[in-house]
Amino acid sequence: AQSVTQLDSQVPVFEEAPVELRCNYSSSVSVYLFWYVQYPNQGLQLLLKYLSGSTLVKSINGFEAEFNKSQTSFHLRKPSVHISDTAEYFCAVSVGGYNKLIFGAGTRLAVHP
Amino acid sequence: GAVVSQHPSRVICKSGTSVKIECRSLDFQATTMFWYRQFPKQSLMLMATSNEGSKATYEQGVEKDKFLINHASLTLSTLTVTSAHPEDSSFYICSAPQTSGDNNEQFFGPGTRLTVL
Repeated sequence: AQSVTQLDSQVPVFEEAPVELRCNYSSSVSVYLFWYVQYPNQGLQLLLKYLSGSTLVKSINGFEAEFNKSQTSFHLRKPSVHISDTAEYFCAVSVGGYNKLIFGAGTRLAVHP
Repeated sequence: GAVVSQHPSRVICKSGTSVKIECRSLDFQATTMFWYRQFPKQSLMLMATSNEGSKATYEQGVEKDKFLINHASLTLSTLTVTSAHPEDSSFYICSAPQTSGDNNEQFFGPGTRLTVL
């Protein structure tokens, strides 16, 4: 069975500072990896995904995540955050596609001015 | 991107009553939808897979007689919490996958917060 651990429940950071949200997973088979973002009162939105190929994946709004198979990690990073990045971030895995996602507990990113 | 809606956004009911939650794909058809529940500060937990025109598939530990799922059309799935009790209070979220060419993505509804008194 697969599982996902997000080590930080909350991450406070000042605007324009770098941030890393940690995600580790466990699985005995190959997985697909995702980061979703949930803004207040909205549904989850896909931020980025790793299916295969390059281990470094990027989103259009400056986030990136690197798949590290040896460390079973998929940490999310951004070199300079904005107030608008304040949201809940969920790491997720699935086996064989986009169905039956297994989610981590989420990390609340709070960006302060 | 595609839009998935849920109704109601929040509901309060008395213990023993039943509550129906709707999940709609607004601009695409979905033969499959997924229902999750989320307790405060915890993960989204997959409850069941809703299949249009056939029975839902429930995850281990989820009571199918307690959480009735009906996927009557390609744009609507409903989750009915029967004889609700306070321990059923939770945040219920649905999602629907959309395939476009080589891209396949799940779109999530905004969730329904159920409070059982």
